[in-house]
Amino acid sequence: AQRVTQPEKLLSVFKGAPVELKCNYSYSGSPELFWYVQYSRQRLQLLLRHISRESIKGFTADLNKGETSFHLKKPFAQEEDSAMYYCALSGGSRLTFGEGTQLTVNP
Amino acid sequence: KAGVTQTPRYLIKTRGQQVTLSCSPISGHRSVSWYQQTPGQGLQFLFEYFSETQRNKGNFPGRFSGRQFSNSRSEMNVSTLELGDSALYLCATTPSGGSYNEQFFGPGTRLTVL
Repeated sequence: AQRVTQPEKLLSVFKGAPVELKCNYSYSGSPELFWYVQYSRQRLQLLLRHISRESIKGFTADLNKGETSFHLKKPFAQEEDSAMYYCALSGGSRLTFGEGTQLTVNP
Repeated sequence: KAGVTQTPRYLIKTRGQQVTLSCSPISGHRSVSWYQQTPGQGLQFLFEYFSETQRNKGNFPGRFSGRQFSNSRSEMNVSTLELGDSALYLCATTPSGGSYNEQFFGPGTRLTVL
């Protein structure tokens, strides 16, 4: 069975502060992991995927197979980063989502 | 390209009724997945269709069903509605499915069961 855990439902930081959204997963195979984001009144959209090893909007995420984690990080948070963030694990076309973390960046 | 569209956007039904929701994928996308989003359970996978065939299925009762047409449009049906079926139903599409592909989400259909 595949499972994704995001331990923090709410996270609040100040603008310019570093931010880390935690994600842990459970999966017997080789995982494909994603971060999806939902800004207020917008659709759920892909932020980044581990296989691309890219930085999007200043966010990065490294897959740590030993710790079964895929934490999302940004060194300097911006107010426009305020959104709901979902970590997701792919098994074929089936995405298993974590419960999400609501990030608020305060001015 | 036009994005994923879902109709209707809002729906109110009563217990025992049935409902059909529609999803039109991005042009060229042949895989359509459905998810249920609720405050308590988060986003849960319902099923995925590709080339008119159900390819993957989540852990939902048989009251939840779906289908896909030759133009890749998909419908999901919920029969004998229960109060707990109140949720936002999202569809997501990709060109061919698979582990690596980005899923493009629609705006959702908000179903309220009274």
